[in-house]
Amino acid sequence: KNQVEQSPQSLIILEGKNCTLQCNYTVSPFSNLRWYKQDTGRGPVSLTIMTFSENTKSNGRYTATLDADTKQSSLHITASQLSDSASYICVVPIQETSGSRLTFGEGTQLTVNP
Amino acid sequence: DAGVIQSPRHEVTEMGQEVTLRCKPISGHNSLFWYRQTMMRGLELLIYFNNNVPIDDSGMPEDRFSAKMPNASFSTLKIQPSEPRDSAVYFCASSFWGPEAFFGQGTRLTVV
Repeated sequence: KNQVEQSPQSLIILEGKNCTLQCNYTVSPFSNLRWYKQDTGRGPVSLTIMTFSENTKSNGRYTATLDADTKQSSLHITASQLSDSASYICVVPIQETSGSRLTFGEGTQLTVNP
Repeated sequence: DAGVIQSPRHEVTEMGQEVTLRCKPISGHNSLFWYRQTMMRGLELLIYFNNNVPIDDSGMPEDRFSAKMPNASFSTLKIQPSEPRDSAVYFCASSFWGPEAFFGQGTRLTVV
């Protein structure tokens, strides 16, 4: 069964601290993995896309890693800011003959406190 | 491009009424997705279209839900009759074959 599981479910940190969010997937065949950030009341916005051949990718203070062998990905946030408070969702597309559809993790709710 | 545009942003309706949600995908995208998001179940795929053709509607909860895509620039999700348990945020997303999918701002539906 194609699944995407994230941990922790929620996380509270102080401003300026670092944190790491985890994603495990069982989707097969695998083509790419995406991390989305969803602010309260808004639609998800893509942070990064990791393809099979990529191990690490950075986007500002966000660094995503991918281990295709263990089917794990992590999203590391450095020097957190209050605006990082959001839900972070790991997404893996399921490839079908007519296109692809997205399998979502349940998300990690991050709260950054001053 | 203005991105994926959904309307209305908020909808409050009485149980039993018909509700129609609208979506304008990004121009040139050939795939369109309708999702529902609740606290309990997270994001769920309801239906997706490819080149205006419904490909997978297995996520549609029941016959009260229907979706159409009459052309490449417009889609609707209709609930008739609506029930309180349909209260959720409904997202539309579009993509063009590649790995990226762009989401609209969502429609927050409240059925009382």
